[in-house]
Amino acid sequence: SQTIHQWPATLVQPVGSPLSLECTVEGTSNPNLYWYRQAAGRGLQLLFYSVGIGQISSEVPQNLSASRPQDRQFILSSKKLLLSDSGFYLCAWSREGSSYNSPLHFGNGTRLTVT
Amino acid sequence: AQSVTQLDSQVPVFEEAPVELRCNYSSSVSVYLFWYVQYPNQGLQLLLKYLSGSTLVKGINGFEAEFNKSQTSFHLRKPSVHISDTAEYFCAVSSNTGKLIFGQGTTLQVKP
Repeated sequence: SQTIHQWPATLVQPVGSPLSLECTVEGTSNPNLYWYRQAAGRGLQLLFYSVGIGQISSEVPQNLSASRPQDRQFILSSKKLLLSDSGFYLCAWSREGSSYNSPLHFGNGTRLTVT
Repeated sequence: AQSVTQLDSQVPVFEEAPVELRCNYSSSVSVYLFWYVQYPNQGLQLLLKYLSGSTLVKGINGFEAEFNKSQTSFHLRKPSVHISDTAEYFCAVSSNTGKLIFGQGTTLQVKP
């Protein structure tokens, strides 16, 4: 069966510090991978998605970047965090190929607080 | 462009009462519809999905939803809720021309 791991679960970082959140998927090959951010009362915002190694699409301009160094590894990064980067970050995967009718499978999220 | 509107941000209900969480969407093409549930400090879990066929879709935990094309709605229902159903619920829509778009979420608060 497929599993998705996301860490850390919680993180408190000062403004201006770097960020690295990691997500790995097991039990499937060449998944589509996603990073979402969930801010209180604002639903889910798609930040990045990837259909393969080294292929990253950004949905919104921001202070964050994403990388996919391996097939089942997806990393969310920032060089200098802003207060507005606080939120709940969710990694998700779906089956390769057409993803419009494939459900997403989510990790348990990382609660990031920038102080 | 597609969009999803969840009409209620919070729905309080007593245990064993029925509940309906409303979702409306807009799209100029055929859509695929989903409901996800999020328990506190966890990721989202798929409740049910409509891709084609019967407009009444049954999901996990006793939930069901009905696709109504003329009213562009996909409301989620459960005939009798439990305390454990307290969570946030997200409606989402996608099509073969776009990505998955989520609504703002509805918090279901089940009271004893």
